[in-house]
Amino acid sequence: GAGVSQTPSNKVTEKGKYVELRCDPISGHTALYWYRQSLGQGPEFLIYFQGTGAADDSGLPNDRFFAVRPEGSVSTLKIQRTERGDSAVYLCASSFMIAGGTDTQYFGPGTRLTVL
Amino acid sequence: GNSVTQMEGPVTLSEEAFLTINCTYTATGYPSLFWYVQYPGEGLQLLLKATKADDKGSNKGFEATYRKETTSFHLEKGSVQVSDSAVYFCALSVRGSQGNLIFGKGTKLSVKP
Repeated sequence: GAGVSQTPSNKVTEKGKYVELRCDPISGHTALYWYRQSLGQGPEFLIYFQGTGAADDSGLPNDRFFAVRPEGSVSTLKIQRTERGDSAVYLCASSFMIAGGTDTQYFGPGTRLTVL
Repeated sequence: GNSVTQMEGPVTLSEEAFLTINCTYTATGYPSLFWYVQYPGEGLQLLLKATKADDKGSNKGFEATYRKETTSFHLEKGSVQVSDSAVYFCALSVRGSQGNLIFGKGTKLSVKP
């Protein structure tokens, strides 16, 4: 079946602009995660959704970052007033919920964001 | 806090060589441990996992054993192939939490024919 998809695959923007990154999870997966991967680093957790609600947004670096998942499926990560330091690959993952936690996370191909 | 430390790369091996990539962790609670792999031009894929002490995860000839006494989860393969060239990430998830993964920095493996 279809995996996690993310659009766009690449986004180039100018400092100070607003961007939206989209994630389409695997059908039926109620848990959705956003991570950010800087060059030469492992992915870092940003935010976790259980259904429509953001259950944990402790990884968001500041209030310029916001994410929504209004219908419990597709999620959008929004970044306001972008800065050059926001340049990274933004990864989305989804999973089933199981007793005691979540199941294996399946990752999308990522969106490479470049802020000039 | 929770963290993962894995050996720095890059690692370059000849085909059929033995591979070890070291991974140690620090965690509160009882973590589940994972190895993810990122092949060139592809997304992260789960390679193997172990959810409790002494469990061995295995897949595609790779193995890792959850060692609570040494807080380690080293990745091994007896005979690597050129197609194993990729970046390997060790990660943990604290059970009972909401499951977000904490990753190491990754180790790039290149296998030469």
